[in-house]
Amino acid sequence: QVQLVESGGGVVQPGRSLTVSCAASGFTFSHYGMHWVRQAPGKGLEWVALIYYDGRDKYYADSVKGRFTISRDNSENMLFLQLNSLRVDDTAVYYCARWGISADHDALDIWGQGTKVTVSS
Amino acid sequence: EIVMTQSPATLSVSPGERATLSCRASQSITSKLAWYQQKPGQAPRLLIYGASTRATGIPARFSGSGSGTDFTLTISSLQSEDFAVYYCQQYNNWPRTFGRGTKVDVK
Repeated sequence: QVQLVESGGGVVQPGRSLTVSCAASGFTFSHYGMHWVRQAPGKGLEWVALIYYDGRDKYYADSVKGRFTISRDNSENMLFLQLNSLRVDDTAVYYCARWGISADHDALDIWGQGTKVTVSS
Repeated sequence: EIVMTQSPATLSVSPGERATLSCRASQSITSKLAWYQQKPGQAPRLLIYGASTRATGIPARFSGSGSGTDFTLTISSLQSEDFAVYYCQQYNNWPRTFGRGTKVDVK
């Protein structure tokens, strides 16, 4: 079945780096753009980044631009988010999600279960 | 960036009743709007895209309408499994943005 599984979360000190990953299965990963979305404890959803199916185009939320980098490895069906210069307010559950509807509709149709990142000294 | 404003923040509804949720964009997003449902401890689920098209497997009691800046999600007859938080999201402009959510709880 179509599935996304995130990993790599944990506790990290402010200013340090972390990479979270998302393993895709059950669909042709290289045909789909992918998103990262995060959710701080008790808060709403915040869109973080998107990467096109071939990795050529990437977009970021203003709050993470210049600190986070989205990437993918289509040969391994993997999506990544490198989080640099982490701040306490980056603490959240990070979800990967598929851009699955059509070229004109990049709504997020499949979501992973999330991986928790805690930034704390 | 486009700000998405959802109202009300909380909506108390009895099972079987109709629920109407609103979402307003700070500028026109044509019909590039999606609705998601999230239950406690779960990932969000796509309900509606293109403002009015139900995603695969979504029951017909969920309907979306609107274009431009004003959008509505209607749940025609609330079932027990529909009590959750609902988010709207625009995908017309970068960066993509979500509303703060409407919690639908039991009256």
